[in-house]
Parts: sequence; C-alpha cells; structure tokens
Amino acid sequence: AQTVTQSQPEMSVQEAETVTLSCTYDTSESNYYLFWYKQPPSRQMILVIRQEAYKQQNATENRFSVNFQKAAKSFSLKISDSQLGDTAMYFCAFSKNTGNQFYFGTGTSLTVIP
Amino acid sequence: DTAVSQTPKYLVTQMGNDKSIKCEQNLGHDTMYWYKQDSKKFLKIMFSYNNKELIINETVPNRFSPKSPDKAHLNLHINSLELGDSAVYFCASSQDFKGLTDTQYFGPGTRLTVL
Repeated sequence: AQTVTQSQPEMSVQEAETVTLSCTYDTSESNYYLFWYKQPPSRQMILVIRQEAYKQQNATENRFSVNFQKAAKSFSLKISDSQLGDTAMYFCAFSKNTGNQFYFGTGTSLTVIP
Repeated sequence: DTAVSQTPKYLVTQMGNDKSIKCEQNLGHDTMYWYKQDSKKFLKIMFSYNNKELIINETVPNRFSPKSPDKAHLNLHINSLELGDSAVYFCASSQDFKGLTDTQYFGPGTRLTVL
C-alpha cells in the first residue's frame, strides 16, 4: 500500500524568510509522480509543484522548490522569500502508475507572520 | 475560464434529505474524482471515473452514488443524508499519460452542512 506522511501538522515562518515542509512516502513503484498542493482559506486546491520520479533534477517553480530524495523516499518543499499569501494548508501527494489513484498526506498548516 | 467547476458551493440541508452536487470539467480529461475533506482537513478519495466507467470505489456508504453522463461530468448524489456527511466535497480531474495519473485539477469545493 502507498502511504504519504507529513510529520509537521503546523509551521510558521516570518515574512521573507525560507521554510521547508517535509514529506515522506512509501511505495514499491519505480515510476510515479509527486505533488505539493496548496489550500488557502478559500479552500481551493491549487497545484504548487510536481516532480516525476524518473527525473533526478529537483523541480522548481519561482519561489517554490523541492528536494526529492528517491532512495530515502523524501519529497520536501522549500518556500523562499515567504509571502503572506503563502499562508495555507499544504498537502503532499503521490500518484502511482496504475489505477488512477492519488494518495494525500494529512497536510501541514503554514502561517506566514508579518 | 473555469477548468473544474462544482455547484453548489454551499449546501445546507436537513438530515434524511437527498441532495446532488454537480461537477464539470472543460479540460478534456479522461478521469474524474470525488474527494471528501473532513473537519481535520484530511482528504479521502471516494470515487474515480475514467471515460464514464467506475475505476475506484472506496469504502463509501451506498447512499453515495456517482453518476457520469459523459466524461466531462461527474455528479455526486447522496441519499438519506446523515450528520456525519457534513464535509467539504471536492471534484477533480486528470489526464493520464501512459498509465500514469498526472496532475489533478480541483474544483472549488462544496461545503455540505447537514443539520
């Protein structure tokens, strides 16, 4: 079975600082996708960044980057120059190669402090 | 243009009633999903349809019945609503590439409150 674990239920960061959210997963698959989704108070689920497991290069999207460690099954999200609008719930997710199945972690609530 | 839309955004109803939530995607995706997000924010998949065929049916009471008239629509019908059904329900869609399920695009969510 696939599992996704986010061990930090809540985090906070000062505006303009950098924060890292952790995520680990468990799978026997060799090819898969990993994602970070953001859910602001408006509760819309917004894709932040995605990583393909066969790519060694870490994905980056503007201020968001990941540290993908395939052997360790770790997929952390780094947010640089944190902004107030980054305050949200962040979900790590895993998609395996069969079955149209997504697996979500329990989320990390991030608060950016002015 | 809205990619994945859900109606209604809020739904307040009495216990025992039957209600429906509609979902439509204009992305041309083959797969659509329904998720339930409980009060602790935990997202749990309920159903997945691929080209109008049921692919995933997690342990969900029979009172919940998805209906997919075409691959752009996946509606959720709930019969005999119970207090525990109160939650936010998300519709999502994705395009599969070579068997891999890529990015899911989510609707805005429907907050269901059962009184």
